[in-house]
Amino acid sequence: GAGVSQTPSNKVTEKGKYVELRCDPISGHTALYWYRQSLGQGPEFLIYFQGTGAADDSGLPNDRFFAVRPEGSVSTLKIQRTERGDSAVYLCASSLGQGQGYTFGSGTRLTVV
Amino acid sequence: AQKVTQAQTEISVVEKEDVTLDCVYETRDTTYYLFWYKQPPSGELVFLIRRNSFDEQNEISGRYSWNFQKSTSSFNFTITASQVVDSAVYFCALSAPAGMDTGRRALTFGSGTRLQVQP
Repeated sequence: GAGVSQTPSNKVTEKGKYVELRCDPISGHTALYWYRQSLGQGPEFLIYFQGTGAADDSGLPNDRFFAVRPEGSVSTLKIQRTERGDSAVYLCASSLGQGQGYTFGSGTRLTVV
Repeated sequence: AQKVTQAQTEISVVEKEDVTLDCVYETRDTTYYLFWYKQPPSGELVFLIRRNSFDEQNEISGRYSWNFQKSTSSFNFTITASQVVDSAVYFCALSAPAGMDTGRRALTFGSGTRLQVQP
């Protein structure tokens, strides 16, 4: 597609439930990033994929968070046993790598009630 | 560790005024990239500029200009003759350079400056 697509745009879930957030990057972009943006803050890095592998997952806050990119294109961020503190906008970005400019998606607003 | 500081939380100006958004960064890397992004109310982050730390030339793009001062670790952004459409949150960000074998290529963002341009 022309841009980075994230679905759903909004997700409301109950505390303790499992959620999956999807990111469809720009075709051909090998690098994919997940960020989390809390209200009034800048985005914070979660995980970075180069191709199919997670090159850096040091930003994942705990083991409830996991992400995959099995075919080197679409990525899914998975959150188990959601907590109210997980409420945020989850942003996905892709790039050609090599320090090129990143293109961000519109994000998924996750609300845990 | 990398850190980006945007000390101005919110700025309000009247249309046609010039406004400068400050950005100060910290990094141990000798080479790095600096970015500015715009986040309008729609929420999507819009790329404005990327600057390599090797290149200290200031840059102008239309009403936008950037002043990179490596000696003071600052990368300030000026909007000349501001317009209502410039109202948004602006983020400064820092990343490690390309070509590194290890390490994070992700962006470290500041907390953002909310710019409100009044008509």
